[in-house]
Amino acid sequence: EDQVTQSPEALRLQEGESSSLNCSYTVSGLRGLFWYRQDPGKGPEFLFTLYSAGEEKEKERLKATLTKKESFLHITAPKPEDSATYLCAVQATPNDYKLSFGAGTTVTVRA
Amino acid sequence: EAQVTQNPRYLITVTGKKLTVTCSQNMNHEYMSWYRQDPGLGLRQIYYSMNVEVTDKGDVPEGYKVSRKEKRNFPLILESPSPNQTSLYFCASRPPGVVKQYFGPGTRLTVT
Repeated sequence: EDQVTQSPEALRLQEGESSSLNCSYTVSGLRGLFWYRQDPGKGPEFLFTLYSAGEEKEKERLKATLTKKESFLHITAPKPEDSATYLCAVQATPNDYKLSFGAGTTVTVRA
Repeated sequence: EAQVTQNPRYLITVTGKKLTVTCSQNMNHEYMSWYRQDPGLGLRQIYYSMNVEVTDKGDVPEGYKVSRKEKRNFPLILESPSPNQTSLYFCASRPPGVVKQYFGPGTRLTVT
């Protein structure tokens, strides 16, 4: 069974204080790893897809990286508007229809 | 505008009273899914559909039913809701392949 574990559960940062979120996964065959952002009471919004170890993607202050066992979401010089819950999910063989999510990391950035 | 819509957005009901949460997408996507989200547990898949008339169970299907009679619609049916089905529900859709899912705005269900 696919397993996705995110850490830490919660992260409180001062504005400008860079940090990283971790997503470790155990799957039979990774097809893709996704990062989503979720604001309170809203649906998840897509951030990145990573397909293979060594791949990196960037968007504004966010950078996602992937190894064979985990992914990191780096937040550089965060602003209060980066406060949200960040979700990691994997799509893996043999069940290509399923997306397995981690429990998420809630990030709070104080001004 | 490409979107997934859900109705209702909020629902308070009583144990045993049948209810349906509707989901519709305007992107002609083949795949649709239903998830529930509970604190500390993340998003868990209830049911998914690969195309019209093709559905299968996800991780937590007990107490739920679905149907896919049209490509755009994927309703979630609770025949006899119980308090442990109190949760935040999300519908999602995507095309085939390793691509992002589009999520609806969520339906907050409370069963008393």
